[in-house]
Amino acid sequence: EVQLVQSGAEVKKPGESLKISCKGSGYGFGSYWIAWVRQMPGKGLESMGIIYPGDSDIRYNPSFQGQVTISADKSISTAYLQWSSLKASDTAMYFCARITGSRYVGYGNDFWGQGTLVTVSS
Amino acid sequence: EIVMTQSPATLSVSPGERATLSCGASQNVGNNLAWYQQKPGQAPRLLIYGASTRAAGIPARFSGSGSGTEFTLTISSLQSEDFVVYYCQQYNKWPPESTFGQGTKLEIK
Repeated sequence: EVQLVQSGAEVKKPGESLKISCKGSGYGFGSYWIAWVRQMPGKGLESMGIIYPGDSDIRYNPSFQGQVTISADKSISTAYLQWSSLKASDTAMYFCARITGSRYVGYGNDFWGQGTLVTVSS
Repeated sequence: EIVMTQSPATLSVSPGERATLSCGASQNVGNNLAWYQQKPGQAPRLLIYGASTRAAGIPARFSGSGSGTEFTLTISSLQSEDFVVYYCQQYNKWPPESTFGQGTKLEIK
């Protein structure tokens, strides 16, 4: 069974750093792209960026370039999303999702993590 | 950047009736279009990809159509659990970057 399990909710202060994780199981983790998606409170879905764990090819949505860092460790089937200095506006639910397809073709997000709620407040 | 526009923002339909949700792309995306359902407090669920192919385990009352810049999600014979939020997403096949629409909330009339 394909599963993506994300790390737990976080409460941080502005200026703090944070790294959240997404662990895949039940499939070849290195062979599918992983996407990170933000959902601010009461709002829609926003694509932040994608990573191919097999070779750590990373593509950022221009809106998030420089604001977050995406990485992965294929050896432990885990993808990461990190911030060096959080802002209150980073408060949101963050989802990871597998992109169905292969290294050179994608067809949407077929499996999703349960989400990690990040709250940034002084 | 491709902009996806969903309409209406809120759709009121009676249980048992048919719902038609629309999604428009600012430029031609071919059939690289997916639809998702999101229930409160849950992650989105893939319903349709390739504009018209149902994902595994999705009931036949969900159907997708369209190509290019205009797409439709139709839900026939609405059931109580269908009254939630739906998103469209255009995706590039490679690299598989994507953009979501702003969502349509389906509510009970």
